[in-house]
Amino acid sequence: DSGVTQTPKHLITATGQRVTLRCSPRSGDLSVYWYQQSLDQGLQFLIQYYNGEERAKGNILERFSAQQFPDLHSELNLSSLELGDSALYFCASSVQGLAGGPTDTQYFGPGTRLTVL
Amino acid sequence: AQKITQTQPGMFVQEKEAVTLDCTYDTSDQSYGLFWYKQPSSGEMIFLIYQGSYDEQNATEGRYSLNFQKARKSANLVISASQLGDSAMYFCAMRPNTGGFKTIFGAGTRLFVKA
Repeated sequence: DSGVTQTPKHLITATGQRVTLRCSPRSGDLSVYWYQQSLDQGLQFLIQYYNGEERAKGNILERFSAQQFPDLHSELNLSSLELGDSALYFCASSVQGLAGGPTDTQYFGPGTRLTVL
Repeated sequence: AQKITQTQPGMFVQEKEAVTLDCTYDTSDQSYGLFWYKQPSSGEMIFLIYQGSYDEQNATEGRYSLNFQKARKSANLVISASQLGDSAMYFCAMRPNTGGFKTIFGAGTRLFVKA
């Protein structure tokens, strides 16, 4: 158990809908990262937050947004869902994020499996 | 360009034998971190081992060791005494010092351990 929690574990929804994925980082970790893992594109970095502020952005679609709250939990919002958004969405956390530099190890949550029908 | 390459899509190993999973990376940064993660069929991503670019010794964590060859830009994972529970997908990842500290993952190697 990495200490990172994600809810829900599974989510089935229809095209055009909006969903929210939730992540609680390990105790003491200030950074939260979101990743998308699909069969055809591997593990793709979406976005990083550090202590409530957006710090890095990857291949995140405009239909997707995220935020990190004062208690450090984070939410990833996916809207106008398409079939291609079906994937495993991971949240990871680390102690320092940018301040920690390249040594900062990310610990992953169990993931949320999203199925868009 | 910053890139991680894992050239072995799948590998088989006999139980109790050692296996090496290949990983090469490309970066112009002098400071970077290299990581290996395990993803069993249940889906979670488990951190295994870390190697810093300035570390002179190869990292080891139990049955896992990282064969770090900086000049060749390779960071191979060695699993000793393979167990059936080692069957999983393994991802090599790099966190460079520039580019916003984004972690870059390879495509993964699926390891099958045979009884």
